[in-house]
Amino acid sequence: DIQMTQSPSTLSASVGDRVAITCRASQSISDWLAWYQQKPGKAPKLLIYRASSLESGVPSRFSGSGSGTEFTLTISSLQPDDFATYYCQQYNSYSTFGQGTKVEIK
Amino acid sequence: QITLKESGPTLVKPTQTLTLTCTFSGFSLSTSGVGVGWIRQPPGKALEWLALIYWNDDKRYSPSLKSRLTITKDTSKTQVVLTMTNMDPVDTATYYCAHSSVWYFNYWGQGTLVTVSS
Repeated sequence: DIQMTQSPSTLSASVGDRVAITCRASQSISDWLAWYQQKPGKAPKLLIYRASSLESGVPSRFSGSGSGTEFTLTISSLQPDDFATYYCQQYNSYSTFGQGTKVEIK
Repeated sequence: QITLKESGPTLVKPTQTLTLTCTFSGFSLSTSGVGVGWIRQPPGKALEWLALIYWNDDKRYSPSLKSRLTITKDTSKTQVVLTMTNMDPVDTATYYCAHSSVWYFNYWGQGTLVTVSS
């Protein structure tokens, strides 16, 4: 099984900050990676697929990069609506989610 | 507009079999490339992928849960059913169904909380 490890587990930031979340795969997954945002009590929302493709309707402050085993989700200027938990998902071999990164208000 | 909604019991006893139904609209599970998956999330924990069924009836299961899971779609192709056998309290979770194009999930249901307790 491919394991996905996110870091950090929790990130404290302020509105306007540039933030980056890392996701590492236990083996190469090419660019078969997606990122999701989840708010309490809600279903996850797709942000990025194929490592760097922005889902329709998602603000351009979200971007994804990486390939192979290391990936990054970047929020260029954190907005109040962005405080949430973020998950990466590999879909190179079946599917596995990371353990999540909670972005909280500093 | 694509929508999905999960339905099923909110409480099951240990060792029982769980049957969940995903009723969807706005797309056809006969369309090439389309799939519907199930993902669960224990309270306060991370997401876990469970199963995926494609338009051509190809099925994929989480290796760790494969022996307990069965995913099917109905002939009208507007429902997908997931069964999970031998339920245990550790299976307590919110269960989501979701639309998939290429293994990522771009539309999700609201989720249904299933509690396993005697």
